[in-house]
Amino acid sequence: QSVLTQPPSVSGTPGQRVTISCSGNSANIGSKTVSWYQQLPGAAPKLLIYTDNQRPSGVPDRFSASKSGTSASLAISGLQSEDESDYYCAAWDDSLNGQVFGGGTKLTVL
Amino acid sequence: QVQLQESGPGLVKPSETLSLTCNISGDSIDSIDNKYWNWIRQPPGKGLEWIGYISYTRSTKFNPSLKSRVTISGDTSKNQFSLKLRSVTAADTAVYYCARGFSKVDKSYFYMDVWGKGTTVTVSS
Repeated sequence: QSVLTQPPSVSGTPGQRVTISCSGNSANIGSKTVSWYQQLPGAAPKLLIYTDNQRPSGVPDRFSASKSGTSASLAISGLQSEDESDYYCAAWDDSLNGQVFGGGTKLTVL
Repeated sequence: QVQLQESGPGLVKPSETLSLTCNISGDSIDSIDNKYWNWIRQPPGKGLEWIGYISYTRSTKFNPSLKSRVTISGDTSKNQFSLKLRSVTAADTAVYYCARGFSKVDKSYFYMDVWGKGTTVTVSS
């Protein structure tokens, strides 16, 4: 059972917009910033979003993120086949005094 | 361009110690820009689990579930950091990643921007 809760899977068709939710509590998302990671099949995770909504250089602006209270979400617009991947949210947790991850969401592009 | 490379045995016997090293290129383990050098693991078919970090001040912090078995240390002369996990069981079988992190002291933000490719460690007799 992960500290941060994500849906196990989401799907969409090319060109669509999909969102992935991430739910936490006051010890993590409610008081710390959220980061998002993309893990393509067989590859290492890649930083997609940091400090709630900032994109590292090279990440397309099709990827965006937001946070409200103890929940965060990642949005992918103009869905492409290469976006098919696992996505993880993460945040520091003051109660556990450590970094926690969501269980991951598998995005399928139909 | 910063790169991280994990190395170590791919097979460890139950009850023994898992030892991995992460070699840093393009950055320094001694650089002071609020950097934290992390270990993360991913069991087969499962999600990511943060193991712990060593900071630029050489302070360490670990996942509470692993704290009693983990040591993370840094080596300035070799520009690398290492993980030791004692008394391993089959549940420690995973891909192990090292990653560079950034954070403030109050941990208001914490993210990992550069990851190694990972190394698979199997615990089996």
